[in-house]
Amino acid sequence: NAGVTQTPKFQVLKTGQSMTLQCAQDMNHNSMYWYRQDPGMGLRLIYYSASEGTTDKGEVPNGYNVSRLNKREFSLRLESAAPSQTSVYFCASSGHRRSEAFFGQGTRLTVV
Amino acid sequence: EDQVTQSPEALRLQEGESSSLNCSYTVSGLRGLFWYRQDPGKGPEFLFTLYSAGEEKEKERLKATLTKKESFLHITAPKPEDSATYLCAVQSSGGSQGNLIFGKGTKLSVKP
Repeated sequence: NAGVTQTPKFQVLKTGQSMTLQCAQDMNHNSMYWYRQDPGMGLRLIYYSASEGTTDKGEVPNGYNVSRLNKREFSLRLESAAPSQTSVYFCASSGHRRSEAFFGQGTRLTVV
Repeated sequence: EDQVTQSPEALRLQEGESSSLNCSYTVSGLRGLFWYRQDPGKGPEFLFTLYSAGEEKEKERLKATLTKKESFLHITAPKPEDSATYLCAVQSSGGSQGNLIFGKGTKLSVKP
């Protein structure tokens, strides 16, 4: 049971570099989310996609873009990485509006 | 503004010493309250969903309860393997569709 799979697990970027974080789920869920987790801040929503073809901003969208490629895949792109984007990024998915979300194992990103 | 506050930030227990974790929330209409467990270096793992005041859910040594203003996660006779960070999250009817608003978590350590 794969659930939610994120790649890569670890990444180090230089300031100004770009990269895309990949996320795929095999639970046939409609909604997918990207969160970031920082010490003392809790999990904060970056972007979400309520269904295939739609995306919306969350609490902290600046510096990020997303693509809902199909029902399974939801990617997060950093166009020009900054040290403030050093964080642990989690992708999650849920079946419907009131259901629990299932999380991937996270991507630990360091921007130097 | 929707908000979730968890207390205490950290809790140290002896094996077998029962206790409770608190999650206080203010939301513009509660769709659901969720408890997650997070182990170091891992993504949050779903434990419980509570939808209405008075509802209770149990799983092994854990029991979650809900009132109109707070939720408790009761841990009965904990074991060292219960050591983890416990996250509380709410889903608001006034917020982004399906979005979870997380507290900062309670880090539980259970000593043998």
